[in-house]
Amino acid sequence: GAGVSQSPSNKVTEKGKDVELRCDPISGHTALYWYRQSLGQGLEFLIYFQGNSAPDKSGLPSDRFSAERTGGSVSTLTIQRTQQEDSAVYLCASSLVVLLGVGTEAFFGQGTRLTVV
Amino acid sequence: AQSVTQPDIHITVSEGASLELRCNYSYGATPYLFWYVQSPGQGLQLLLKYFSGDTLVQGIKGFEAEFKRSQSSFNLRKPSVHWSDAAEYFCAVGAGTGRRALTFGSGTRLQVQP
Repeated sequence: GAGVSQSPSNKVTEKGKDVELRCDPISGHTALYWYRQSLGQGLEFLIYFQGNSAPDKSGLPSDRFSAERTGGSVSTLTIQRTQQEDSAVYLCASSLVVLLGVGTEAFFGQGTRLTVV
Repeated sequence: AQSVTQPDIHITVSEGASLELRCNYSYGATPYLFWYVQSPGQGLQLLLKYFSGDTLVQGIKGFEAEFKRSQSSFNLRKPSVHWSDAAEYFCAVGAGTGRRALTFGSGTRLQVQP
């Protein structure tokens, strides 16, 4: 596609429910990144994918968070048993190749705003 | 591990005035440096990037940034600010090894007064 697409754009869920957030990267981009942006905070790295594998999951805040990527394209971030502190904007980005090298840059989607009530 | 500090949480300037947003990084080798802008309700848009070469880099929307290794800084500048520049600005650093993802600063919110 023309850009990184995330869905849904907004999600309100009850505490304790599971949610899935979807990211469609730019076609042909092999690297995909998930970040979390809490209110008034910077961007917190969660996980990145090189193809379908995730070399670095160290940013996932707890075992309630997981992510997968299939076919080297779409990625899903799943949060189980959501808590109020999970409320944030979840941003996805993709780049042609894994960072970093000359000429590569990360393109961001518009994010999914998750509200846990 | 790399880190980024943006010391100014909030800056207000008058339209037409010059702007400088500060960014300091910590990284053991030559970093890759980026500035992104996030307008309200929007995703992040890349303003400019530095990989190597000329330490003064030009970006979109009339922005520029200068890499100063001795000061571990990558400050963003614009000679004359427009009302549409009001947004949040994020500095980011990346590494060629280890974590292959960007580390972001906490952001600087720019307000432009008429």
